Amino acid sequence: SQTIHQWPATLVQPVGSPLSLECTVEGTSNPNLYWYRQAAGRGLQLLFYSVGIGQISSEVPQNLSASRPQDRQFILSSKKLLLSDSGFYLCAWSSGGHEQFFGPGTRLTVL
Amino acid sequence: KQEVTQIPAALSVPEGENLVLNCSFTDSAIYNLQWFRQDPGKGLTSLLLIQSSQREQTSGRLNASLDKSSGRSTLYIAASQPGDSATYLCAVESGAGSYQLTFGKGTKLSVIP
Repeated sequence: SQTIHQWPATLVQPVGSPLSLECTVEGTSNPNLYWYRQAAGRGLQLLFYSVGIGQISSEVPQNLSASRPQDRQFILSSKKLLLSDSGFYLCAWSSGGHEQFFGPGTRLTVL
Repeated sequence: KQEVTQIPAALSVPEGENLVLNCSFTDSAIYNLQWFRQDPGKGLTSLLLIQSSQREQTSGRLNASLDKSSGRSTLYIAASQPGDSATYLCAVESGAGSYQLTFGKGTKLSVIP
């Protein structure tokens, strides 16, 4: 069966510090991978998606970036965090059936 | 641009009651619609996926319907239980092969014992 992992589970970072969130999927090959952000009072916002290694599409211009160094690994990064980057970050995967499956999330607080 | 609306934002019902959650979308050219459940501080759990060619899907006490022409979907929960308390999210994938979901803001359900 397929499993999706995210770490860390929670993170508190100062403004201006770098960020690296990791997502890995087990039990499937060549999945589509997604990064979403869920902010208080707002719906889930798609940030990035990837259909293959090295292929990244950005949905929202901002100071975040994503990379996919391996087939089942998706990384969300920032060089300098802003207060507005606080939120709940969710990674998801899908395959041919288009149904999306989500990870447990990372709670990021920028102070 | 696709917009998804869920009404009501919150709902409180006594245990055992049957209930309906509503989802509407502005662009009827969807590929599929997915219902999720989210517990506080947790990720999303996929409940049901309805393809655009389907009218409904069932899983246990859950039944989801889709009326593409009117831009509406409903999630029916039979014989509600306290364990059903969570936020329910509706999401649509617009366009074949886009794989990109547009989410509503959710309905927070509380089932009172």
